[in-house]
Amino acid sequence: GAVVSQHPSRVICKSGTSVKIECRSLDFQATTMFWYRQFPKQSLMLMATSNEGSKATYEQGVEKDKFLINHASLTLSTLTVTSAHPEDSSFYICSARDSGGPTQYFGPGTRLLVL
Amino acid sequence: AQSVTQLGSHVSVSEGALVLLRCNYSSSVPPYLFWYVQYPNQGLQLLLKYTSAATLVKGINGFEAEFKKSETSFHLTKPSAHMSDAAEYFCAVSEGHGGYQKVTFGTGTKLQVIP
Repeated sequence: GAVVSQHPSRVICKSGTSVKIECRSLDFQATTMFWYRQFPKQSLMLMATSNEGSKATYEQGVEKDKFLINHASLTLSTLTVTSAHPEDSSFYICSARDSGGPTQYFGPGTRLLVL
Repeated sequence: AQSVTQLGSHVSVSEGALVLLRCNYSSSVPPYLFWYVQYPNQGLQLLLKYTSAATLVKGINGFEAEFKKSETSFHLTKPSAHMSDAAEYFCAVSEGHGGYQKVTFGTGTKLQVIP
């Protein structure tokens, strides 16, 4: 149980384009989903927290107009990187938590490369 | 504010030897504590968690961790290392549960297993 998927697993795009990453909880209802960014050989940096049906809460320094998060249902959250630039290249990981406890279950991550 | 310190960014052990990965936490309230493992280019997989029940927690793949309040520690151990244990390990702390609850991750410890 507690499986989280992400799609795509890898994406390469041109500078200036937008990229959408999907995060799905496959076998539980995720009342809260989290989006992280991980730079090479570093820990996870929390970007934002989203609760189903409400606006995401962004961490300090994260541009909400650049990283659009939508949590439209209890099993799906999307992160859209708008007008991507090479510095947005990174490993993006989502996690999901149900209402029953504190444990976050992570997706397999999405490697974004902006040329 | 909660925080996590992982001592040693790199740990090397011989195959069959004891694995000990150190984690100390800081929390203003009784914490929830987690260990996650990350293999290259993958998301995080939950190894085990402490949620105020038994202080010795057993997880997957033969790992266990002991919560020691007096030492504010939650070290991860495994009696005998296997080659497949080579990965990055993250300790994490969370205060309370429900609502807007964040998990703070340590900087990670890369485990190398020498044949």
